[in-house]
Amino acid sequence: DIQMTQSPSSVSASVGDRVTITCRASQGLSGWLAWYQQKPGKAPNLLISVTSNLQSGVSSRFGGSGSGTDFTLTISNVQPEDSATYYCQQANSFPLTFGGGTKVEIK
Amino acid sequence: VQLLESGGGLVHPGGSLRLSCAASGFTFVNYAMSWVRQAPGKGLEWVSTISHSDAYTYYADSVKGRFTISRDNSKSTVYLQMNSLRAEDTAVYYCVTYKGNAFGIWGQGTMVTVSS
Repeated sequence: DIQMTQSPSSVSASVGDRVTITCRASQGLSGWLAWYQQKPGKAPNLLISVTSNLQSGVSSRFGGSGSGTDFTLTISNVQPEDSATYYCQQANSFPLTFGGGTKVEIK
Repeated sequence: VQLLESGGGLVHPGGSLRLSCAASGFTFVNYAMSWVRQAPGKGLEWVSTISHSDAYTYYADSVKGRFTISRDNSKSTVYLQMNSLRAEDTAVYYCVTYKGNAFGIWGQGTMVTVSS
């Protein structure tokens, strides 16, 4: 099984900051990595698929990059509405696995 | 575009439940479907996926042999039959589309509580 290690587990940022979340896989993913945003009491929302493919309707302040085993979600010019928990997910092989999550708090 | 789960509730350890998920607003047969769960205060855990044609099914080790995923394309509905339930199965269960190697459309979730 592919293990996903996400860091940091939490981050506090001010409005306008850049936030970077990393996700490391235990083996190469061939780019099959997605990112999700989840707000309290709500279902997750797909932000980015296949490493860097921004989903329709998602703010361009979100960006994804990476290759092999190391991937990054970047939130530029962070806004209050970005307060949420973010998860990475590998889609290279079954069983599908998620990272442990990163809680982003806006000061 | 909507996924509407039902069938959650309180069940005793060892009991069974059947979750249903009705899809609308998109061409259901074109999508693989999955169940993803989230225990209270915890992260996301993939549970199971069924291919669009029902030809393939996949399960997490934690539920293999106890849960069965199925679908009825004529009703645009996917099911999760859960048997031999354990306390650690307590979670919100989300029905999700799986296309392009990502979970795209999510339902609102249904709570399953396993407790005596």
